[in-house]
Amino acid sequence: SQTIHQWPATLVQPVGSPLSLECTVEGTSNPNLYWYRQAAGRGLQLLFYSVGIGQISSEVPQNLSASRPQDRQFILSSKKLLLSDSGFYLCAWSGDSTEAFFGQGTRLTVV
Amino acid sequence: QQQVKQSPQSLIVQKGGISIINCAYENTAFDYFPWYQQFPGKGPALLIAIRPDVSEKKEGRFTISFNKSAKQFSLHIMDSQPGDSATYFCAASNNSPGNTPLVFGKGTRLSVIA
Repeated sequence: SQTIHQWPATLVQPVGSPLSLECTVEGTSNPNLYWYRQAAGRGLQLLFYSVGIGQISSEVPQNLSASRPQDRQFILSSKKLLLSDSGFYLCAWSGDSTEAFFGQGTRLTVV
Repeated sequence: QQQVKQSPQSLIVQKGGISIINCAYENTAFDYFPWYQQFPGKGPALLIAIRPDVSEKKEGRFTISFNKSAKQFSLHIMDSQPGDSATYFCAASNNSPGNTPLVFGKGTRLSVIA
């Protein structure tokens, strides 16, 4: 069966520090991968999605970037965090079907 | 991104009552409409989904009603239970051709009280 792993679960980082969140999927190949951010009262905002290795589409220009170095690995990064980067970050994957499966999320607090 | 509008933002329902959450979309190319359930501190999980070739889909106490002409769809939770208290998101995507990322509504926080 397919599983998605996302870590860390919580993270507190100072303003100006770098960020790296990792997501991996097991049990499937060539998944579509997504990074969403959830802010209070604002729903799920799509940040990046990838249909293959090295292929990244950015939905919202901002302080973040994404990379897909391997087929089932998706990384969300920032060189310098801002206070506004605080939020709940969710990785998700989908296969041939339309259903998207989410990880457990990372609660990021920038202080 | 095409918008999906969800209402209400929050909902309080008595145990045993019916919870109703509504969504409206603009993009007529959308052809997949899922609902996700999210508990605090967890990722969303698919609850039920519908395609526009049917007007209703029921799974247990959960029903999606779909109105293609009005571009609206809704989630009905029958016999609501305290364990249903969660945030619910509607979403939509276009799967022809290929799969486009899901576009989500802003969510509805449901509280079922005894």
